[in-house]
Amino acid sequence: SYVLTQPPSVSVAPGKTARITCGGNNIGSKSVHWYQQKPGQAPVLVIYYDSDRPSGIPERFSGSNSGNTATLTISRVEAGDEADYYCQVWDSSSDQGVFGGGTKLTVL
Amino acid sequence: QVQLQESGPGLVKPSQTLSLTCTVSGGSISSGSYYWSWIRQPAGKGLEWIGRIYTSGSTNYNPSLKSRVTISVDTSKNQFSLKLSSVTAADTAVYYCARDIAVAGEDYFDYWGQGTLVTVSS
Repeated sequence: SYVLTQPPSVSVAPGKTARITCGGNNIGSKSVHWYQQKPGQAPVLVIYYDSDRPSGIPERFSGSNSGNTATLTISRVEAGDEADYYCQVWDSSSDQGVFGGGTKLTVL
Repeated sequence: QVQLQESGPGLVKPSQTLSLTCTVSGGSISSGSYYWSWIRQPAGKGLEWIGRIYTSGSTNYNPSLKSRVTISVDTSKNQFSLKLSSVTAADTAVYYCARDIAVAGEDYFDYWGQGTLVTVSS
């Protein structure tokens, strides 16, 4: 089945830019979706179709996808952005949802 | 605003069947081109997609769980359900239900339930 690889952790200072990557074989040919999960809470969709933001998600959240890597970018990081972030694709060859292992974003 | 709520036993004995129900409010489960999915998360670990159902009854399951999973829908009650048989301690997790937006085979999950912890233990 399709595999998504994320770094376990990313650290960033407040006000700086955080970039969280999601690697997969030719992932640029798929649509990548991103979720934010804070402790004890359900995941929240923050980016869909590579770069679209749901209503209510700040413009500081953006996404890109090309080649073998998709990237979630969080600009002007705030303490409240500290969370686990998961990328997700749909593997149409096996008709199943696939999640990356998750990245813990720490705001220093 | 669509809301989803999981319900079911929080403790299941090994080898028995885990049964959960997700109740959808704020809209009809039959309206729109939505699938309805189950996703789980063991403590301290990542998310695992379990399977999904369309209101027609059509299902897709994670191949690693397929032999043990059944997802069903009751449109009259605006609910869909998960059954996972022959459970072991490895099935202990928080179980989420979610609305699955399925367009051109690029599904994503836009609304999630709060999750329910199911522990497998004797």
